[in-house]
Amino acid sequence: EPEVTQTPSHQVTQMGQEVILRCVPISNHLYFYWYRQILGQKVEFLVSFYNNEISEKSEIFDDQFSVERPDGSNFTLKIRSTKLEDSAMYFCASSGGLAGVPEQFFGPGTRLTVL
Amino acid sequence: AQSVSQHNHHVILSEAASLELGCNYSYGGTVNLFWYVQYPGQHLQLLLKYFSGDPLVKGIKGFEAEFIKSKFSFNLRKPSVQWSDTAEYFCAVNAFGNEKLTFGTGTRLTIIP
Repeated sequence: EPEVTQTPSHQVTQMGQEVILRCVPISNHLYFYWYRQILGQKVEFLVSFYNNEISEKSEIFDDQFSVERPDGSNFTLKIRSTKLEDSAMYFCASSGGLAGVPEQFFGPGTRLTVL
Repeated sequence: AQSVSQHNHHVILSEAASLELGCNYSYGGTVNLFWYVQYPGQHLQLLLKYFSGDPLVKGIKGFEAEFIKSKFSFNLRKPSVQWSDTAEYFCAVNAFGNEKLTFGTGTRLTIIP
């Protein structure tokens, strides 16, 4: 069964450093998403991406964040200058295959720890 | 803006007990409703979904949920839980035609053998 994959599984970085989180969505999906879950809190929407552009973003997704689909298979989330409060689990998801399947399939997540 | 409430933060049950987890949402328009499960150390998996039609939906592993539009609720049920159902359960909603999923805070379910 096809699945969303994410790398790395755990990323530790120093405050102020740039990080890139990588995702490979399910191959025929058209919509891509990033969510995050701070420890003990709810899963929060960050951004959705369709047709090579951002279709919606939350207030969390400020200028420090960017997304890219560089090569038709990977979908990346970049945090330019990490802050302590960026420590969280980051989930990638994809949806919308050729059959118009609206449910989102999630990857295993990347745990980001900012020191 | 849509929001989702899950009032049970932690539920502890014995095996074979019946389960009902509450989920209420607030949004005035048409919604799609989901329950996701996160087993320890694993990623979010879809348990079941409601888009339209029969308000009683059946999902994997014997779970079902009922959409009651008048109560803005989508409660998850299982008649007889197993130890392997120990996990975190998340209710989520998106507005029809909108991709963003809004999650509830989750309910941690612990099943005692």
